[in-house]
Amino acid sequence: DVKVTQSSRYLVKRTGEKVFLECVQDMDHENMFWYRQDPGLGLRLIYFSYDVKMKEKGDIPEGYSVSREKKERFSLILESASTNQTSMYLCASKSSTGELFFGEGSRLTVL
Amino acid sequence: QQPVQSPQAVILREGEDAVINCSSSKALYSVHWYRQKHGEAPIFLMILLKGGEQKGHDKISASFNEKKQQSSLYLTASQLSYSGTYFCGTGGSNYKLTFGKGTLLTVNP
Repeated sequence: DVKVTQSSRYLVKRTGEKVFLECVQDMDHENMFWYRQDPGLGLRLIYFSYDVKMKEKGDIPEGYSVSREKKERFSLILESASTNQTSMYLCASKSSTGELFFGEGSRLTVL
Repeated sequence: QQPVQSPQAVILREGEDAVINCSSSKALYSVHWYRQKHGEAPIFLMILLKGGEQKGHDKISASFNEKKQQSSLYLTASQLSYSGTYFCGTGGSNYKLTFGKGTLLTVNP
């Protein structure tokens, strides 16, 4: 089975802290995505990557950056966390047939 | 830009049918449908590619009208297990995949 693992299920950070959210997939997928999920707003695309070291902005990239140094790992970085970044963050990788496999999510609270 | 889903919510009795619509203002190459149950990750239902094909999965099927940039998800003879939030995702010419705000489906006994 495909497995997408997000390193932290729950995080609590303070405003201004740097936050790293890690995502690892074990199926050699080329495309990976970071979404945030908020009530009533659905899944909003932050960044995506279609190859190692290749990244593209999604619809809401402001305040975020990403890193894809290895094919299996896609990291989301909040350089200076703010309270409006409190959210559920979902990582996904896409198979060659187009199916997305999601991780369990990382619930981030910024105080 | 997120695709627009309608309705936002629907309540059914077991055995009833439902249709969920998804439309985009941009040209589409693919439409993806996912279901998410509370507290869980979204699960893949189906993908429809440019070409107007219709797909089916048990009693759940979908259509894709690329000219109108619309897709519809059809749930027939709904079961309690169909409850959840349904998301459509739209893919353009690049690798980007954008989801809508979701449709909350509740199936009651």
